[in-house]
Amino acid sequence: ETGVTQTPRHLVMGMTNKKSLKCEQHLGHNAMYWYKQSAKKPLELMFVYSLEERVENNSVPSRFSPECPNSSHLFLHLHTLQPEDSALYLCASSQDGLNTEAFFGQGTRLTVV
Amino acid sequence: KQEVTQIPAALSVPEGENLVLNCSFTDSAIYNLQWFRQDPGKGLTSLLLIQSSQREQTSGRLNASLDKSSGRSTLYIAASQPGDSATYLCAVSSRESYKLIFGSGTRLLVRP
Repeated sequence: ETGVTQTPRHLVMGMTNKKSLKCEQHLGHNAMYWYKQSAKKPLELMFVYSLEERVENNSVPSRFSPECPNSSHLFLHLHTLQPEDSALYLCASSQDGLNTEAFFGQGTRLTVV
Repeated sequence: KQEVTQIPAALSVPEGENLVLNCSFTDSAIYNLQWFRQDPGKGLTSLLLIQSSQREQTSGRLNASLDKSSGRSTLYIAASQPGDSATYLCAVSSRESYKLIFGSGTRLLVRP
């Protein structure tokens, strides 16, 4: 248990569905992240929030929409996804964005059909 | 552009053996380097964090070293056990952003 909790653990959705991934951290950290892990590719950073403000958006398509209502919660809203968006989506947090250890959740395995 | 490479991609060893995993990065201007473990279909577990000013960190049977000038880090696992079987990932933090840049990992199998 790393202190970062993601729900759901598994999600299957159709291309016309709208769903949301949730991440919660109880570590008192100020920065939260969404990463994508596809088969046979290194982890890719999607979004970074620091003190509830988005500080990085790594050229992610608009069908992925992040939301950070407070420093403990992070959401990733999904709509009209493509099958190639199927991946493991990992949330992480750190004390601040720079020079501090990152802690990851268990991930949400997303399958788009 | 920072690139992180891990060699070997896969490794199979008998139980009890000492082993070394390698990580190299192209840009030495990093804040820190972090080693993670990932079990199949699971999230990442942080193993060791080495600050850019440090040369090594130890935790139990794990020892990680950092040579920033040559762009290399090694993770040494002593007396390997079947429970050590997992994918090991290294990642470096950039001075310009909040991004962790990951290698593709080394998939380790420790045979009983």
